[in-house]
Amino acid sequence: GENVEQHPSTLSVQEGDSAVIKCTYSDSASNYFPWYKQELGKRPQLIIDIRSNVGEKKDQRIAVTLNKTAKHFSLHITETQPEDSAVYFCAASRDYKLSFGAGTTVTVRA
Amino acid sequence: DGGITQSPKYLFRKEGQNVTLSCEQNLNHDAMYWYRQDPGQGLRLIYYSQIVNDFQKGDIAEGYSVSREKKESFPLTVTSAQKNPTAFYLCATQTGYEQYFGPGTRLTVT
Repeated sequence: GENVEQHPSTLSVQEGDSAVIKCTYSDSASNYFPWYKQELGKRPQLIIDIRSNVGEKKDQRIAVTLNKTAKHFSLHITETQPEDSAVYFCAASRDYKLSFGAGTTVTVRA
Repeated sequence: DGGITQSPKYLFRKEGQNVTLSCEQNLNHDAMYWYRQDPGQGLRLIYYSQIVNDFQKGDIAEGYSVSREKKESFPLTVTSAQKNPTAFYLCATQTGYEQYFGPGTRLTVT
């Protein structure tokens, strides 16, 4: 099955700096790549996604890039704010089944 | 995702007892999913259903069972055969490629 690896597992950034999280996937047939944000004790929330026919997508301070050849995709958060502190999960989808990375705990220091 | 309810929020059971977790949705989505989340790990797929009266095993189905008699409901039973049932259980629905999560049930078995 699909194997998704996510790095780093923890990330601490100064408020206002950028944060980058990287994921790799194993199944070249995966065609949809969402990112979720999960605050402590809460449900994961979809924050951005990208399909395999697109290389980059941006929504305000967050952006996702996809390199199909290398089978990796990344989440970029610019101008980080304290409310960006959370656990972020990447996922890859084939046949409408999601496989998740292990998560990155992001801490934004004031 | 406000249209997905899971009850109860916290559930405590003794070892050896079966327990059923509820998931209801009013979003009219065909597909529904059950995930398990353990501390420091990503979400792992237990079962999924793309249509009423049909469901498939996910990556960790052993010790679990489901039913899909109605479009709105996808209950998960954690049986006594599940060796480590203590976890956070998340139900999700899907429209197109996008999955949305319910608030989760935290199950503790002692």
